[in-house]
Amino acid sequence: QKEVEQDPGPLSVPEGAIVSLNCTYSNSAFQYFMWYRQYSRKGPELLMYTYSSGNKEDGRFTAQVDKSSKYISLFIRDSQPSDSATYLCAMTKAAGNKLTFGGGTRVLVKP
Amino acid sequence: NAGVMQNPRHLVRRRGQEARLRCSPMKGHSHVYWYRQLPEEGLKFMVYLQKENIIDESGMPKERFSAEFPKEGPSILRIQQVVRGDSAAYFCASSLTRNTGELFFGEGSRLTVL
Repeated sequence: QKEVEQDPGPLSVPEGAIVSLNCTYSNSAFQYFMWYRQYSRKGPELLMYTYSSGNKEDGRFTAQVDKSSKYISLFIRDSQPSDSATYLCAMTKAAGNKLTFGGGTRVLVKP
Repeated sequence: NAGVMQNPRHLVRRRGQEARLRCSPMKGHSHVYWYRQLPEEGLKFMVYLQKENIIDESGMPKERFSAEFPKEGPSILRIQQVVRGDSAAYFCASSLTRNTGELFFGEGSRLTVL
């Protein structure tokens, strides 16, 4: 079993819809949680960064962490075709530690 | 725009040859990380270096792979005697401090082994 599970998709939504993404994990030692966006043939780009449980909002993006359920989510409001990409969740235990990534969810926003 | 620079972007090698991938971190960053991405898979940690030191190489295969980050010049990931299973995208990331996930990634080097 992988440490971090993420549905590979693809997830297809119409423009303007809310995109809902999530990851589950097994290691309770993870404390720092991130979402990266990766366009095809490009490097990952950090979108959201959260420490421990709670919500964080940045523009159209909201990240949620529920450590008791070992479950993290990313919501994208008012989705745009430019949001079409692969979204990777990542997490780590402490400063300097390696990131453990989910396999990524491919999202397609149709105009 | 002094982002993380990786080269070459694409590299083709025959089985048994050597591959050298280079990474120049963002200006002022002294922490470098290498990750490997296989087709349809997420990124897997390989190694974490800070200038002249390997901090964590727990994700590096024991044989054929090595990494360095000299005092002067880029970080190098070296793969000796490549095999087809080494075909992947290799990403370098850098950070300003020994932090907790705020990494800046390069665009990757795509290695194809024939």
